[in-house]
Amino acid sequence: QVQLQQSGPRLVKPTQTLSLTCAISGDSVSSNSLTWNWIRQSPSRGLEWLGRTYYRSKWDNDYAVSVKSRITINPDTSENQFSLQLSSVTPEDTAVYYCVGVRGGVFDYWGPGTLVTVSS
Amino acid sequence: ETGMTQSPATLSVSPGERATLSCRASQSVSTNLAWYQQKPGQAPRLLIYGASTRATGIPARFSGSGSGTEFTLTISSLQSEDFAIYYCQQYNNWPWTFGQGTKVEVK
Repeated sequence: QVQLQQSGPRLVKPTQTLSLTCAISGDSVSSNSLTWNWIRQSPSRGLEWLGRTYYRSKWDNDYAVSVKSRITINPDTSENQFSLQLSSVTPEDTAVYYCVGVRGGVFDYWGPGTLVTVSS
Repeated sequence: ETGMTQSPATLSVSPGERATLSCRASQSVSTNLAWYQQKPGQAPRLLIYGASTRATGIPARFSGSGSGTEFTLTISSLQSEDFAIYYCQQYNNWPWTFGQGTKVEVK
């Protein structure tokens, strides 16, 4: 059974970079059948997919258009985890952030979520 | 981007009654449609995928139907633990997109 554990700061100042990490147990970040995603949820935006990283003979990423200029998702094979960095944050980036393992487009495995507040 | 519209926004149902939730896609998603349940303070949980296949451990009172652009999630007899928010999500057209959710509350 895949389990995901999130870590990272819950308070970030405007203009700074939001950084979260998702540790995977029960499968590998290099899995050929799963992709590793970040989603956020806020009252104004609902569930918003942000991006993913995955390995299919090589590493690749996809990002949502809305955050493409600010987002980086990286795998860490040595720690079996993946990370999210979102730069130049504003209060509109305040949300609950989830890491999710996705199989064939279905969001199978969810982390517990991290409420990140952007405030000075 | 494929828009997903759920209705109603809120559904008031008595325990033991049947609940019917709708999800409409702005373009065909075939049967590549999933449903999720979210309770307060928790992450969403997968209920249904492929429009009608229950995920592991999901009770038989949950059923899904539909194809193309119109989908339905039915909860045959609501239990106390079923009062939650339900989301549909399409995975036919990139990027994957979610509906805004239907809140099922106690009548």
